[in-house]
Amino acid sequence: QKEVEQDPGPLSVPEGAIVSLNCTYSNSAFQYFMWYRQYSRKGPELLMYTYSSGNKEDGRFTAQVDKSSKYISLFIRDSQPSDSATYLCAMKSGNTPLVFGKGTRLSVIA
Amino acid sequence: EAQVTQNPRYLITVTGKKLTVTCSQNMNHEYMSWYRQDPGLGLRQIYYSMNVEVTDKGDVPEGYKVSRKEKRNFPLILESPSPNQTSLYFCASSYYRSDTQYFGPGTRLTVL
Repeated sequence: QKEVEQDPGPLSVPEGAIVSLNCTYSNSAFQYFMWYRQYSRKGPELLMYTYSSGNKEDGRFTAQVDKSSKYISLFIRDSQPSDSATYLCAMKSGNTPLVFGKGTRLSVIA
Repeated sequence: EAQVTQNPRYLITVTGKKLTVTCSQNMNHEYMSWYRQDPGLGLRQIYYSMNVEVTDKGDVPEGYKVSRKEKRNFPLILESPSPNQTSLYFCASSYYRSDTQYFGPGTRLTVL
């Protein structure tokens, strides 16, 4: 079983839709959870960072962590064409390196 | 502007011809690493460095070398490139190994 599983998509939604992106993981020691956004021909950039379980909101973006289910989500409200990108989840425990999901490609159609 | 820079951004080369991809960061980060990104395989770590003169293998180190003689620079060396090293390469840095990482813009390498 891979440490981090993420559906690669592609996911295509109309502008204004609510988008849900998800990752599951197997290592119960993971405590820090991140979402990176990667535009075409660019490097990943940090979008959201959460510690342990719970929700974190930043504008149109909400990150959720459910450690009991080993499941994390990123919600995008009122999605825009500029949100079209690949979204990578990443996680770690303590002083360990990041483990990345393979990324989900999202297209928001105007 | 705080950033990680990589050069070149695009490179086409032939099998066996040694090449170096440079990486530089201006954030005084201690930790630097190299990743390759391939379709269906995601980001895989090649090598990392915890500090000057301290480097270690990541998940896929075969065929690569690195050096860390200065804190800001972390070049990736392919002594004898092969076609299976055709990939998109990213350099990243952070203050410590466990911190969130800042990525460079990527280097697309094609080995013929």
